[in-house]
Amino acid sequence: DAGITQSPRHKVTETGTPVTLRCHQTENHRYMYWYRQDPGHGLRLIHYSYGVKDTDKGEVSDGYSVSRSKTEDFLLTLESATSSQTSVYFCAISESLGQGAYAGELFFGEGSRLTVL
Amino acid sequence: AQKITQTQPGMFVQEKEAVTLDCTYDTSDPSYGLFWYKQPSSGEMIFLIYQGSYDQQNATEGRYSLNFQKARKSANLVISASQLGDSAMYFCAMREGDSNYQLIWGAGTKLIIKP
Repeated sequence: DAGITQSPRHKVTETGTPVTLRCHQTENHRYMYWYRQDPGHGLRLIHYSYGVKDTDKGEVSDGYSVSRSKTEDFLLTLESATSSQTSVYFCAISESLGQGAYAGELFFGEGSRLTVL
Repeated sequence: AQKITQTQPGMFVQEKEAVTLDCTYDTSDPSYGLFWYKQPSSGEMIFLIYQGSYDQQNATEGRYSLNFQKARKSANLVISASQLGDSAMYFCAMREGDSNYQLIWGAGTKLIIKP
């Protein structure tokens, strides 16, 4: 199994409070991602990183920021949590972005369930 | 328009039977990749199988195979000899082009294997 650890695994917070989710990998993969999963939507990309201090926005980045100060750590921050950010958050890693027959498959952490009251 | 469509929200299958989970996709890019992931009730996402658009043969991984019909833009997952442990959500995803960070995900199919 890919060494990906997410913390916390469960969190309940109140609207307006800041929240930080942490993703830690031991695989030394270059690419890291944060997704959210909501019923009926599959997975949606929030932000991704292609190296230390190199990050970019995904399709649902509003209200989220990320940081990557070390290869192994990728942090997702909700500056002021809202109820619409109640979701399950997944961190993923990949060795490459994929080309031709080479998949560049993503490996996922176990998820962090966030509830914003 | 949906880029990835999984038309079966849920399926019930008898143990030991083969299962086909449908996935259709839409892209105009000649180079793309298709993925299947499994999500058991415990929540983790598990990579199952990959098919590249230029691959000449259908991908296989153990009991999993991908029925890739390029002209019909379908990439159905076939699970042979289903087991109780196959009960899970199954997601189809696509990467368009090469070296693209973005995966486009379907809404998933919930598969329940009956003993």
